[in-house]
Amino acid sequence: EAQVTQNPRYLITVTGKKLTVTCSQNMNHEYMSWYRQDPGLGLRQIYYSMNVEVTDKGDVPEGYKVSRKEKRNFPLILESPSPNQTSLYFCASSLQIAGGYEQYFGPGTRLTVT
Amino acid sequence: GQNIDQPTEMTATEGAIVQINCTYQTSGFNGLFWYQQHAGEAPTFLSYNVLDGLEEKGRFSSFLSRSKGYSYLLLKELQMKDSASYLCAATGAGNNRKLIWGLGTSLAVNP
Repeated sequence: EAQVTQNPRYLITVTGKKLTVTCSQNMNHEYMSWYRQDPGLGLRQIYYSMNVEVTDKGDVPEGYKVSRKEKRNFPLILESPSPNQTSLYFCASSLQIAGGYEQYFGPGTRLTVT
Repeated sequence: GQNIDQPTEMTATEGAIVQINCTYQTSGFNGLFWYQQHAGEAPTFLSYNVLDGLEEKGRFSSFLSRSKGYSYLLLKELQMKDSASYLCAATGAGNNRKLIWGLGTSLAVNP
């Protein structure tokens, strides 16, 4: 089944404790992206990757890191989480970003930082 | 600047028709997406319009007017399961062809 998986689905952590949210897709997609979604602010892009070893900042990259060592995986790293990073996070992938290809979203990770 | 506007909330009755509007302003516009998002779940793709006009897909149709910077999503024969948020997203400029997302329209379908 074609899908994007994220882990963990739910996470409660404390300020400053490094964490990684994994994202994996099995569709051989070139483009992958991380979003956060907050009430009243909608979906905001954190980082994106056009292909392996090619990553770039989105609209709200501060406090986050990513890597794309393999085509299928695109982990999101919070080196020192803070309460303002409490949010619902989505990973998404698409065949390419040009040409109107739809984005497939993972199920989401609900993160709470206390 | 780049901006997308859509109504925050709408209500409709089961079996009726509802139209959700979206106006956009982006540089390097390529096309416009509609996604559906049920509460607490991931967005799922509904449609993509690149040419002017109406595209029909079952109970859902989407319209685009490039000259007016305007799109709408038309939902017919509404069902309770259509209660969700509907997100409009327009492609922007640059190599990223980054999507500019609207905040979503929360649709409540009442019996």
